[in-house]
Amino acid sequence: KNEVEQSPQNLTAQEGEFITINCSYSVGISALHWLQQHPGGGIVSLFMLSSGKKKHGRLIATINIQEKHSSLHITASHPRDSAVYICAVGGGATNKLIFGTGTLLAVQP
Amino acid sequence: DTAVSQTPKYLVTQMGNDKSIKCEQNLGHDTMYWYKQDSKKFLKIMFSYNNKELIINETVPNRFSPKSPDKAHLNLHINSLELGDSAVYFCASSAHGREETQYFGPGTRLLVL
Repeated sequence: KNEVEQSPQNLTAQEGEFITINCSYSVGISALHWLQQHPGGGIVSLFMLSSGKKKHGRLIATINIQEKHSSLHITASHPRDSAVYICAVGGGATNKLIFGTGTLLAVQP
Repeated sequence: DTAVSQTPKYLVTQMGNDKSIKCEQNLGHDTMYWYKQDSKKFLKIMFSYNNKELIINETVPNRFSPKSPDKAHLNLHINSLELGDSAVYFCASSAHGREETQYFGPGTRLLVL
């Protein structure tokens, strides 16, 4: 069993839909990261959070430390949001990241 | 200006060869990382350096040797390449600390024939 689990693995949505991607982890962490990887391959950090909620544009990330769970929400989804979304947790003095297996999102027009 | 750059972007080589991948960051960060993304797109840490000192060394064959000439550069040298080394290798950097955003390079796609 992975230390970081994401669901769903694949998600297809229609443009405009509200999307939720979930991440559960089983290790102690100091921060949780949400990353986006576009079909071209580049990886971009979307959020890093250790408590509560963060919002950036149409993206919202929440974390519940007690339940070891985080969600990434996309409001008013758009085809350009199509990408792989990766959850990663970091902890310890080295800030080593442990990654989930990713969620492949396809938003259809 | 590119924040984290890697060269080359693509690398096709024969089994048994030795190759290097270079990484440079201009963000003034103290910490740099190498990650491997396998064919199933799963990312895993390989190495991390902080101020030229090795701080993470995961279970990686000793054919892989990182070298950090200064804190802006972290190169990855691979000896005796094997088919299973085919993957995308990402370099990243961050400021030093437990809760710091990591900035990724564009990746180097390595294919071993």
